[in-house]
Amino acid sequence: TQLLEQSPQFLSIQEGENLTVYCNSSSVFSSLQWYRQEPGEGPVLLVTVVTGGEVKKLKRLTFQFGDARKDSSLHITAAQPGDTGLYLCAGAEGNSGYALNFGKGTSLLVTP
Amino acid sequence: DTGVSQNPRHKITKRGQNVTFRCDPISEHNRLYWYRQTLGQGPEFLTYFQNEAQLEKSRLLSDRFSAERPKGSFSTLEIQRTEQGDSAMYLCASSLTFGGVSLNTEAFFGQGTRLTVV
Repeated sequence: TQLLEQSPQFLSIQEGENLTVYCNSSSVFSSLQWYRQEPGEGPVLLVTVVTGGEVKKLKRLTFQFGDARKDSSLHITAAQPGDTGLYLCAGAEGNSGYALNFGKGTSLLVTP
Repeated sequence: DTGVSQNPRHKITKRGQNVTFRCDPISEHNRLYWYRQTLGQGPEFLTYFQNEAQLEKSRLLSDRFSAERPKGSFSTLEIQRTEQGDSAMYLCASSLTFGGVSLNTEAFFGQGTRLTVV
């Protein structure tokens, strides 16, 4: 199993601050997905990154895939309380193309 | 069709009872996945179907777990003789894949079924 380590595990910030969370592995992934999950709900897909060095933007969220396709980061600009949730990264396992390996997630709390 | 649908949302059962969960995927999606998520962890892959064929089931947690997708549409996950350690969120996801192995597994998840075994 290819492990994905996410950091930090918990993050509590005030509205308007910027933050970056990280997803690291010693393995190469063909693609990485970022999901956001609220308590009691399923994960919601935010973005998929495929190409090494790729940067994708989704409003105030910026996602980057490492050049070696082993790591990824999520940067949130001017965080809002609605950004509160568990941010999970997931990579397709090996060449299977079906099983996603998930990290444990970063739990983000944005207070007004 | 607005997304993956799972029923029930919550299930409380006594230890030793059997439970069955249902998943209705996004209608045009040919792949369906089951995951389990325990507190403080990310989802853990259990099994998946390509249409009606169950192509990977070695990761099911024990022989008490089984899944079906008889007509290639909805799927059920059954847990027999439930144990307290089975308490978790059970998530279903679906994706659309062309040809053989997909290198871009973009899966869409349902809201999950929260199982509590007492």
